[in-house]
Amino acid sequence: EADIYQTPRYLVIGTGKKITLECSQTMGHDKMYWYQQDPGMELHLIHYSYGVNSTEKGDLSSESTVSRIRTEHFPLTLESARPSHTSQYLCASSEQEGANYGYTFGSGTRLTVV
Amino acid sequence: GQNIDQPTEMTATEGAIVQINCTYQTSGFNGLFWYQQHAGEAPTFLSYNVLDGLEEKGRFSSFLSRSKGYSYLLLKELQMKDSASYLCAATGFQKLVFGTGTRLLVSP
Repeated sequence: EADIYQTPRYLVIGTGKKITLECSQTMGHDKMYWYQQDPGMELHLIHYSYGVNSTEKGDLSSESTVSRIRTEHFPLTLESARPSHTSQYLCASSEQEGANYGYTFGSGTRLTVV
Repeated sequence: GQNIDQPTEMTATEGAIVQINCTYQTSGFNGLFWYQQHAGEAPTFLSYNVLDGLEEKGRFSSFLSRSKGYSYLLLKELQMKDSASYLCAATGFQKLVFGTGTRLLVSP
């Protein structure tokens, strides 16, 4: 049973629309992350958060924005979707402390902008 | 700097053994992860090494040499379902840095 949930699983949307990809986790993890991954390609970190009211941009520049108002919730928003945003978006979380802070990934949202 | 290198693709036959190598260079290194990712799905955790040596978990084993910046994932008794991408990820200042992944194709 998944402890980190992403919705929707698949989304096809028109150019110019505003969309929010949801990510929630029930593990009480402080750290949460958004990755973008094109088919067969590597994971690129686009946003991360170390706790409530903390958000940072990742290694790959992205036109998306994120918010962290509650520990369990880390939504990603695109104000105006474009075909170049077509990709898979993966949300992950990890514990704040400890040597083993492996990531738990959500199932991902496959976004297609037409 | 942050750099992870692993082969792009490997092929093997069912029942065989395959070793996937990974070299890394990350600031603030603490440990190394291996993830499995089937096409179109999310990565799933396979192993974590923080100390030098071999960690065995069923058919999968992972090795780490901190002094050499080197790790490998060993898969034994390969099954068709092991066809997937295998991602090496090194910790660097509280973030994971992922390699591009090694696509493993297991044939009958």
